[in-house]
Amino acid sequence: EAQVTQNPRYLITVTGKKLTVTCSQNMNHEYMSWYRQDPGLGLRQIYYSMNVEVTDKGDVPEGYKVSRKEKRNFPLILESPSPNQTSLYFCASSYTLVPDTQYFGPGTRLTVL
Amino acid sequence: TQLLEQSPQFLSIQEGENLTVYCNSSSVFSSLQWYRQEPGEGPVLLVTVVTGGEVKKLKRLTFQFGDARKDSSLHITAAQPGDTGLYLCAGVDRGSTLGRLYFGRGTQLTVWP
Repeated sequence: EAQVTQNPRYLITVTGKKLTVTCSQNMNHEYMSWYRQDPGLGLRQIYYSMNVEVTDKGDVPEGYKVSRKEKRNFPLILESPSPNQTSLYFCASSYTLVPDTQYFGPGTRLTVL
Repeated sequence: TQLLEQSPQFLSIQEGENLTVYCNSSSVFSSLQWYRQEPGEGPVLLVTVVTGGEVKKLKRLTFQFGDARKDSSLHITAAQPGDTGLYLCAGVDRGSTLGRLYFGRGTQLTVWP
């Protein structure tokens, strides 16, 4: 089944404790992206990658890191999480850039205490 | 500053009514997409519009891209409870860096039986 998977789905952590949210797609897509969704603010792009070893900043990259060492994986790293990073995170992928279809993962709900 | 402004933010209607959701910007977009998101899930693509003035129909849903490619609308005829969800527009600003995808804040639609 073609899909984007994210792990974990739910995570409660404390300020300053490094964490990684994994994202994997099995559709051989070149383009991958991370978003955060906050009430009243909609979806905001954090980072995106147009291919292996090519990443770039979106709207809200501060406090996040990403890497794209393989085509299928695009992990999101929070080196020192803070409470303002409490949010719902989505990974998405597409074969190429918009107007191609973006396929979204199921989301990761992160709470930073 | 939100690049894509959606209105209304909330819409609560009875089954059988018609409705229109708007997505506006001062920027020109090379394409616009509409997604629907249900609770606990990632957004799912409904349609992509690429040409100014383009109209696309998906059963009871009609999507229009403005002639100047700065706005789009989603019209639902005879809404049903199954149409309930968060509707998001997203686009690639022609003046932005390749790969940047912008989302509106969404319209939360509730259709009552």
